[in-house]
Amino acid sequence: GEDVEQSLFLSVREGDSSVINCTYTDSSSTYLYWYKQEPGAGLQLLTYIFSNMDMKQDQRLTVLLNKKDKHLSLRIADTQTGDSAIYFCAEIPDSSYKLIFGSGTRLLVRP
Amino acid sequence: NAGVTQTPKFQVLKTGQSMTLQCAQDMNHNSMYWYRQDPGMGLRLIYYSASEGTTDKGEVPNGYNVSRLNKREFSLRLESAAPSQTSVYFCASSELTTGRNEQYFGPGTRLTVT
Repeated sequence: GEDVEQSLFLSVREGDSSVINCTYTDSSSTYLYWYKQEPGAGLQLLTYIFSNMDMKQDQRLTVLLNKKDKHLSLRIADTQTGDSAIYFCAEIPDSSYKLIFGSGTRLLVRP
Repeated sequence: NAGVTQTPKFQVLKTGQSMTLQCAQDMNHNSMYWYRQDPGMGLRLIYYSASEGTTDKGEVPNGYNVSRLNKREFSLRLESAAPSQTSVYFCASSELTTGRNEQYFGPGTRLTVT
């Protein structure tokens, strides 16, 4: 079946690295995404990774994909207070229209 | 470039009332989507429109109807609102329906049904 799981909460100190983890069940997923939602706002696409990649780096963001374990992670280097938000991972199974979201990880960055 | 816009931002309805949530995108995207977001449940797809003139049910379509008015606009209608429909509703759009389906979201409509 289709399921995406994330831990609910992560708290880090400003300047530290944050790692948000996600597991998914559909091995046919071709693209996996990370979205950010700030309070009272919609979802903003942060980055994506194609299923034939292991890693993707984009400035402070690093996405790691372990297809064997169906595990996806988002690392934020030098985390800032402006990074406090809810982070959603999402997958698209092959040939599907449907984005399947996890329930989100709330990141709190302490000064 | 406004992206995806939604109106209204907030709405309070009584049980049994009807209303239409409006969504428009200016990115010339083919596909549009309606989601609801409830605490601890992520986003769930209500309906989507792969292209102008087509609509299909998503995961939770009961109690809703949609209209793809033209390529830009996709509305969501609640014919007889129920308290279970209290939620935050997001509209999204994407260029493609499959493959690298990057969806862009509006700011949301916060609906309370009493």
